Amino acid sequence: GDSVTQMEGPVTLSEEAFLTINCTYTATGYPSLFWYVQYPGEGLQLLLKATKADDKGSNKGFEATYRKETTSFHLEKGSVQVSDSAVYFCALSPPYNFNKFYFGSGTKLNVKP
Amino acid sequence: SQTIHQWPATLVQPVGSPLSLECTVEGTSNPNLYWYRQAAGRGLQLLFYSVGIGQISSEVPQNLSASRPQDRQFILSSKKLLLSDSGFYLCAWRENTGELFFGEGSRLTVL
Repeated sequence: GDSVTQMEGPVTLSEEAFLTINCTYTATGYPSLFWYVQYPGEGLQLLLKATKADDKGSNKGFEATYRKETTSFHLEKGSVQVSDSAVYFCALSPPYNFNKFYFGSGTKLNVKP
Repeated sequence: SQTIHQWPATLVQPVGSPLSLECTVEGTSNPNLYWYRQAAGRGLQLLFYSVGIGQISSEVPQNLSASRPQDRQFILSSKKLLLSDSGFYLCAWRENTGELFFGEGSRLTVL
């Protein structure tokens, strides 16, 4: 079945360091891919998305490219800030069922000043 | 613009007591609505979804139930809470372009 696998956390970085959070997926057909962010005690917020192969989603300095050949959607940011500390979820939506949404287990990011 | 609200934000309940969590969406009509649960330090589990008034689909067998009495209202309930029902409950609605939008969440602690 469809699934999403994320790198386990926590990831601890110093401010201004480069961030990569790996995400790979298993899916039938061409799913849409998403990254969500969750700050402590809050719901999930959509960070970015990509709907077809080679699309690049970007928002607030974060980027992720839909790689069909490697079934990946890695999240990157060139220079993290303390305010980026949160849990990040990779997710996919399969094309065959609008009501299905598969989430990874989340990766906690801690950014130290 | 569309907004989604959940309440209560925090709830502490004894084992065996009833539960009612409410979710409302504004600024859209006939939305697809979802209830997810997030256990501590874990990912999201889809509990229920609804494509219209009175239409509920359950994803996992459990101690909870859901209802949709109005187009933009989605309610999560239990008659008797278990310790294992503790968690962070998230309501969401689905945009036609595919994104899920989440409410602020309701943290339930069962003692």
